[in-house]
Amino acid sequence: SAVISQKPSRDICQRGTSLTIQCQVDSQVTMMFWYRQQPGQSLTLIATANQGSEATYESGFVIDKFPISRPNLTFSTLTVSNMSPEDSSIYLCSVEASRGAGELFFGEGSRLTVL
Amino acid sequence: QKEVEQNSGPLSVPEGAIASLNCTYSDRGSQSFFWYRQYSGKSPELIMSIYSNGDKEDGRFTAQLNKASQYVSLLIRDSQPSDSATYLCASRKAAGNKLTFGGGTRVLVKP
Repeated sequence: SAVISQKPSRDICQRGTSLTIQCQVDSQVTMMFWYRQQPGQSLTLIATANQGSEATYESGFVIDKFPISRPNLTFSTLTVSNMSPEDSSIYLCSVEASRGAGELFFGEGSRLTVL
Repeated sequence: QKEVEQNSGPLSVPEGAIASLNCTYSDRGSQSFFWYRQYSGKSPELIMSIYSNGDKEDGRFTAQLNKASQYVSLLIRDSQPSDSATYLCASRKAAGNKLTFGGGTRVLVKP
């Protein structure tokens, strides 16, 4: 499986600010996925990030709130904009295995607390 | 109706016993199914994947898939306290598509 590194691992943010989360993979991957896990909840997909094209957002998530960059096949960023306490969550970057039938592997996650 | 449903638990299991976790899905177009284990404060780690009807065994874990009944299960044999975690079931229509996760089942293995 790929080694996926996320930064920051955790942060405490003030309401109204924005934070960018970075995801670095040790191999080239076509698809990267950004998930959110709110406290005590399961994982919800925010968007799919493909290199060279606009990210595809799931229902309920918009680009203005969660802009995503995918400059190359090993890196992506997710920005959480104009944060509110409701954005306090773990944000997870995931990539599809290069072989097999679509297993996803996850980074360590970025735990954001918005005050 | 949620796309992937799991009993939230907690499922309390004595050490050494078999833990049985169930998952149902609503989309008949789902082709691949996955079980992830998530320890508190950690990210999900893949335990098993299954694509065909029947059983698939890997060590102490057995995944079972019944597409006609839209049902996936995970058995953990000889449960250990280290198996105490939340187990997430996920489905996928095809490679390249998103994974849809269930709410997770919390498992507690008591010594």
